[in-house]
Order: sequence, then structure tokens, then C-alpha cells
Amino acid sequence: DGGITQSPKYLFRKEGQNVTLSCEQNLNHDAMYWYRQDPGQGLRLIYYSQIVNDFQKGDIAEGYSVSREKKESFPLTVTSAQKNPTAFYLCASSTERTGSQFFGPGTRLTVL
Amino acid sequence: GDSVTQMEGPVTLSEEAFLTINCTYTATGYPSLFWYVQYPGEGLQLLLKATKADDKGSNKGFEATYRKETTSFHLEKGSVQVSDSAVYFCARSSGSARQLTFGSGTQLTVLP
Repeated sequence: DGGITQSPKYLFRKEGQNVTLSCEQNLNHDAMYWYRQDPGQGLRLIYYSQIVNDFQKGDIAEGYSVSREKKESFPLTVTSAQKNPTAFYLCASSTERTGSQFFGPGTRLTVL
Repeated sequence: GDSVTQMEGPVTLSEEAFLTINCTYTATGYPSLFWYVQYPGEGLQLLLKATKADDKGSNKGFEATYRKETTSFHLEKGSVQVSDSAVYFCARSSGSARQLTFGSGTQLTVLP
């Protein structure tokens, strides 16, 4: 089955530690995106990538970093510079043909 | 910048009631418009979309019409079910990479 996987589903980290969230897709989509969701709020764009080895900052990129070494993978690192990292993180992918984004199940990060 | 404004929730309805969730968007460019649904603890699922003015998106009994003159994309369903209880997000596409700008979401609860 084609889809987007994110792991782990729940992640706990101590304050000051970097943590990397995984996102993999087998939909052969060119574009991938990372969003952050806080309780009772909409999604905010962190980073996006249209092709391998290229990515752009979204609206709230500070304190985050990404890489796109393979078409299928777009990992997000939450660094210690992110002041309030506890949130629900969603990865998505899309093709230019449809423009619709398809989402993974999300990773809930809690920083203690 | 681009923005999407959604009717604030929460919305509570009885089963078989008529549903309307209002959504308006900023009119820059020629965006595609989307409705996504999120069940507790999960990622977002695409519910329906419309890519140009006067298009009607429909899925699972839900409908929304792209109204350029009123910059609106209201979600409707004639008879809601308990299983429709979820958070609904309106979104518009933005930018060359077709990033999505989301509304803040509307929590719908349907009572039996």
C-alpha cells in the first residue's frame, strides 16, 4: 500500500536535546512538507522541499532543520534552539499534477 | 499574506441535522481550495477539493462550492452522523510549491 509513514508516534525528550522525526513516503511524490500543530490551532508550515537536495523555510523554520537526500525521505530535526518544541508534527507530500497534499499519521513530541 | 478564516467552534449537532461550516479565503492569485478532516490523534485526510471558480467538490455526502465572488468555500452536509465527529480544516494553496495555508479548524461533535 502506498502512503506516508512517520515514526515514532510518540516521542519524549529532555530539554536541550536535539531530536529527529522520520518521514517516509512511497507515493513517488516530488514535494514534501513539515507542519506543526498546537492544541486548538491550525497547521503552520515549518519547511518544504520540491525536489531532492533542495528545501525552503516555511513560516516557522527557526529552531528546526531538514534534509532531503532521497525522494522518499524528509527527516525533521528539532534543535535545542526551538523555544517551545512540544507539539504534534505532521509530514505531507504532494504531486504537482493534483496539488493535493497527503498526510502522515503524525508524531507527538513532548519535551520534558 | 494569504490567509483562511474558518467559523469558530465547537459545533454540536444532533444526528441527521444539517451542517454548515463557513470558510473564507484571501483572494490573491488563483488558489485551489481544500477541506481536510482530522480524527483524534491522527493526521489529516483530504475530504474534498476544488481547483477553480464555481467548481463543486464532494465526497461522503459533504459538499463545498468555490465561490470567487464571495471568496468562500463553505462545507455542507445534509444529514450528519455520529461518525462525522472530528475537526475540519479549510485550506488554500499558496506559492509556487503549492504550500497550504490552513484555517484554525472547527471541532464538530454529533450526538446520537
